[in-house]
Amino acid sequence: AQSVAQPEDQVNVAEGNPLTVKCTYSVSGNPYLFWYVQYPNRGLQFLLKYITGDNLVKGSYGFEAEFNKSQTSFHLKKPSALVSDSALYFCAVRRGSGTYKYIFGTGTRLKVLA
Amino acid sequence: DAGITQSPRHKVTETGTPVTLRCHQTENHRYMYWYRQDPGHGLRLIHYSYGVKDTDKGEVSDGYSVSRSKTEDFLLTLESATSSQTSVYFCAISPNLDLADGYTFGSGTRLTVV
Repeated sequence: AQSVAQPEDQVNVAEGNPLTVKCTYSVSGNPYLFWYVQYPNRGLQFLLKYITGDNLVKGSYGFEAEFNKSQTSFHLKKPSALVSDSALYFCAVRRGSGTYKYIFGTGTRLKVLA
Repeated sequence: DAGITQSPRHKVTETGTPVTLRCHQTENHRYMYWYRQDPGHGLRLIHYSYGVKDTDKGEVSDGYSVSRSKTEDFLLTLESATSSQTSVYFCAISPNLDLADGYTFGSGTRLTVV
């Protein structure tokens, strides 16, 4: 079965500390992987993507993510969290070749504490 | 969210009534999508369009229909609203089928069926 898992409903981190939001996937073929962020009462905003190439990808607002093929993971990271990073984060994957639809994870709420 | 607007932003309707949500884009993107967002489910695809008058079903299409008579407008209709359709609905657009550039999302419509 093809799926995306975000194992943590909520992640709490102190401001200035590094943060990690976890994502694992199971799809056939080479995945396209994405992270989106949703602020209250807003639509999802694109953060970063992995299509091919360097396993470490950098995105908006200082976020980065590491693609790990052997662990089928694509964890979102930031070296130093800000209170303004508090939001809902979604991992998404395009199913393998031959389809063009996303599968979204259920979301992880990040709370950065001052 | 530049280039894509959803209307209305909020709506309360009664069970059994038809409801139409509108998505309007100014990006001239070919591909448009309707998602619903529910706690514990992330985003689920309802319907999508790959051109004027070309639409297809997503994973949760029962009880919904769509129409796209112009490139810029994609309408979602709940034929007879039910309480299970209370949700936040997001429209998304993309310039290509490959989705390598990700989606651009609208700000959402919060629909309550009473």
